[in-house]
Amino acid sequence: NAGVTQTPKFRVLKTGQSMTLLCAQDMNHEYMYWYRQDPGMGLRLIHYSVGEGTTAKGEVPDGYNVSRLKKQNFLLGLESAAPSQTSVYFCASSYGTTLTWQFFGPGTRLTVL
Amino acid sequence: AQRVTQPEKLLSVFKGAPVELKCNYSYSGSPELFWYVQYSRQRLQLLLRHISRESIKGFTADLNKGETSFHLKKPFAQEEDSAMYYCALQGSTLGRLYFGRGTQLTVWP
Repeated sequence: NAGVTQTPKFRVLKTGQSMTLLCAQDMNHEYMYWYRQDPGMGLRLIHYSVGEGTTAKGEVPDGYNVSRLKKQNFLLGLESAAPSQTSVYFCASSYGTTLTWQFFGPGTRLTVL
Repeated sequence: AQRVTQPEKLLSVFKGAPVELKCNYSYSGSPELFWYVQYSRQRLQLLLRHISRESIKGFTADLNKGETSFHLKKPFAQEEDSAMYYCALQGSTLGRLYFGRGTQLTVWP
């Protein structure tokens, strides 16, 4: 099993450009999450999904959109990138209510110039 | 409200010394707590769950509901323990974890 994978690993954007980060998991997990990791701030939840076709806002959702059209995929979109969105983005997944610990992807390092 | 506090951003010890990484939480219900570890430029990995009461890589953590703490301990630190450690709380929203800001542990030779 590949576990949780993320595409791309690195990306540099100019302010105002858009992009989509892809997260995929092959563990049949119900729940999926997007976090951003910034120095001194730890992990902050952007959006999450408790099942196919559902999404919910986390702690820092502004400037991001998500979609969960298939159970195994969770997409994070930046419509108009800003330098404040320079960060490392981690996707995670979990079984959900009974087994709640999360499995993380390798991260995407995004720089917005 | 749910909150996790890790009071130390940085912690340094020498190899062979005991280490304790502090974690305090704020939650009115029955918490489920975790420790995650992130080695340099790698993904986060689950280290411990309080409900399993296990010891992983020599680390243990005990939930103290009276002090609302879940400190991570190891009696003899090793250089390979150098990493970022995150404490996380499963609170009232099922499936959602609340993370502390992390403690960067450095073990000197």
